[in-house]
Amino acid sequence: KAGVTQTPRYLIKTRGQQVTLSCSPISGHRSVSWYQQTPGQGLQFLFEYFSETQRNKGNFPGRFSGRQFSNSRSEMNVSTLELGDSALYLCASSLAGQGTGELFFGEGSRLTVL
Amino acid sequence: DQQVKQNSPSLSVQEGRISILNCDYTNSMFDYFLWYKKYPAEGPTFLISISSIKDKNEDGRFTVFLNKSAKHLSLHIVPSQPGDSAVYFCAASASGSARQLTFGSGTQLTVLP
Repeated sequence: KAGVTQTPRYLIKTRGQQVTLSCSPISGHRSVSWYQQTPGQGLQFLFEYFSETQRNKGNFPGRFSGRQFSNSRSEMNVSTLELGDSALYLCASSLAGQGTGELFFGEGSRLTVL
Repeated sequence: DQQVKQNSPSLSVQEGRISILNCDYTNSMFDYFLWYKKYPAEGPTFLISISSIKDKNEDGRFTVFLNKSAKHLSLHIVPSQPGDSAVYFCAASASGSARQLTFGSGTQLTVLP
């Protein structure tokens, strides 16, 4: 069974640009969550999508957005990039629709903003 | 305001001995707790979890203990193996937001052969 796939794995952007990251969840998983990992703030929740609807959102500015498609694949977008957006962006999928459920993480997309 | 805290950034243990990783939380709404392991250049991998209705959960060499009154949980690894060397993250969630995990800052475990 294929794991969570994130693309691209590495990318470099400059301040003011925008970026789109993609995540393909494990087959059959309908929930996709996004996390940002930085050395200073650790792992922080961005948002969660389930059945194409954003179900929860973390404390991030509106420059961070996402969406989920009917095949459960998800994308996140960051507009007007700032230096502080440099981070590892992790996508996680899970099977459970409600209640508890372990998350399966991808290897992440490492974004560097110059 | 860190709602999940791992106060030990690193821990070294001899192979075969017990590793104990600690985690404290402040949010009383948290009712589900998880431990993840992370190797460099990989995403976190789920290890073990515990619901707030329990105080202990075992899975092979891994046992998680939960002390709700102290808002404290710990992960015991017995016996520790060199392959266990990784960063361990404690995470917590509240009912209704099961996949909105709040993570601790992680503890780097090094198991010495």
